[in-house]
Amino acid sequence: DVKVTQSSRYLVKRTGEKVFLECVQDMDHENMFWYRQDPGLGLRLIYFSYDVKMKEKGDIPEGYSVSREKKERFSLILESASTNQTSMYLCASRYLKNSNQPQHFGDGTRLSIL
Amino acid sequence: SQQGEEDPQALSIQEGENATMNCSYKTSINNLQWYRQNSGRGLVHLILIRSNEREKHSGRLRVTLDTSKKSSSLLITASRAADTASYFCATDHIYNQGGKLIFGQGTELSVKP
Repeated sequence: DVKVTQSSRYLVKRTGEKVFLECVQDMDHENMFWYRQDPGLGLRLIYFSYDVKMKEKGDIPEGYSVSREKKERFSLILESASTNQTSMYLCASRYLKNSNQPQHFGDGTRLSIL
Repeated sequence: SQQGEEDPQALSIQEGENATMNCSYKTSINNLQWYRQNSGRGLVHLILIRSNEREKHSGRLRVTLDTSKKSSSLLITASRAADTASYFCATDHIYNQGGKLIFGQGTELSVKP
């Protein structure tokens, strides 16, 4: 079974801090994704990556950056955390070469910015 | 941008009843996928239906796809309290970049014992 592991289930940080959310997958998937999920807004794509050191902006990249130095790890960075970034963050990975494959999700990180 | 739309937004039924959720989308797809999310957890993939398929079954789940109407439905038969969760459809569009999926807003299903 594919396993996508997010480093923290719950995280509390302060406004202005630099925040790192880590995600690791164990299935050699090319694609990795970061979403945020807010009530009434569904899942919104922040950034995705289709290869090491490659990244593409999603629908809401402002205030975020990402890093993919190794294939199995995709990090989301909040450069200067703000209260409106309080949310549930979900990481996913997907096998790229066959499009008829699902995304596999981690358990999510519930981030609170005080 | 979110293009999938799910209907209804919320559904409450009794154990043993069937639950039907609908999903509509806007552009041509390679496949459509359904996911489930228990409260406070990540999404779990349930079933994938390709654009050339019309119906697919997996246990108590039945998915239909009508590409002419750009719509899909998920039927859960003989529902159980443990089916209580949010259900999302996601579309893999033909001109998709980088393996992205477009997720709907979700249907919140409550199954009362």
